[in-house]
Amino acid sequence: IAGITQAPTSQILAAGRRMTLRCTQDMRHNAMYWYRQDLGLGLRLIHYSNTAGTTGKGEVPDGYSVSRANTDDFPLTLASAVPSQTSVYFCASSNTGLAGELFFGEGSRLTVL
Amino acid sequence: KNEVEQSPQNLTAQEGEFITINCSYSVGISALHWLQQHPGGGIVSLFMLSSGKKKHGRLIATINIQEKHSSLHITASHPRDSAVYICAVFGSNYQLIWGAGTKLIIKP
Repeated sequence: IAGITQAPTSQILAAGRRMTLRCTQDMRHNAMYWYRQDLGLGLRLIHYSNTAGTTGKGEVPDGYSVSRANTDDFPLTLASAVPSQTSVYFCASSNTGLAGELFFGEGSRLTVL
Repeated sequence: KNEVEQSPQNLTAQEGEFITINCSYSVGISALHWLQQHPGGGIVSLFMLSSGKKKHGRLIATINIQEKHSSLHITASHPRDSAVYICAVFGSNYQLIWGAGTKLIIKP
């Protein structure tokens, strides 16, 4: 089934640990994004990628890194997790560049203790 | 003043009613998105608009570029339409600017 797959769907993590959230899409979309969603704050862009090999910083990039080695995969890494990174993380992709229709993954709920 | 404002914040209606959710924005845009998020979290893109009007089933979205305003309409509303509806526009650097969302509850 075509779409975006995120993993894990849920994770509890000790502060200070390293964590990578995985995102894979099979629609051959060029643009991909990582958002975090917090109660009362809506969706905030963490990082984005216009095409394989390029990435850019969003609104809240600190404490996160991404890579885009190929078109399909866009992992998000927390090098040393902190409790303020407790959130729901959504990966998305776009079919016509950075201003195109968005397709979202199901989300990854991360709790940092 | 937020760059993207939605109204109402909360809306409760009876099944079958005609629903309108409004979105006003102050930034220049290339496209405006309407998205739906059900309880439990999944986000679905409903429409992407740059002009005029689009229709998909019971959903209609309109945009007036001159007035910087968009509306999402739901005809013959149903309890399964209960969700949060989010308006978002592209600001500078391709970053989406999100409205706060409208929580819609349709009672049977």
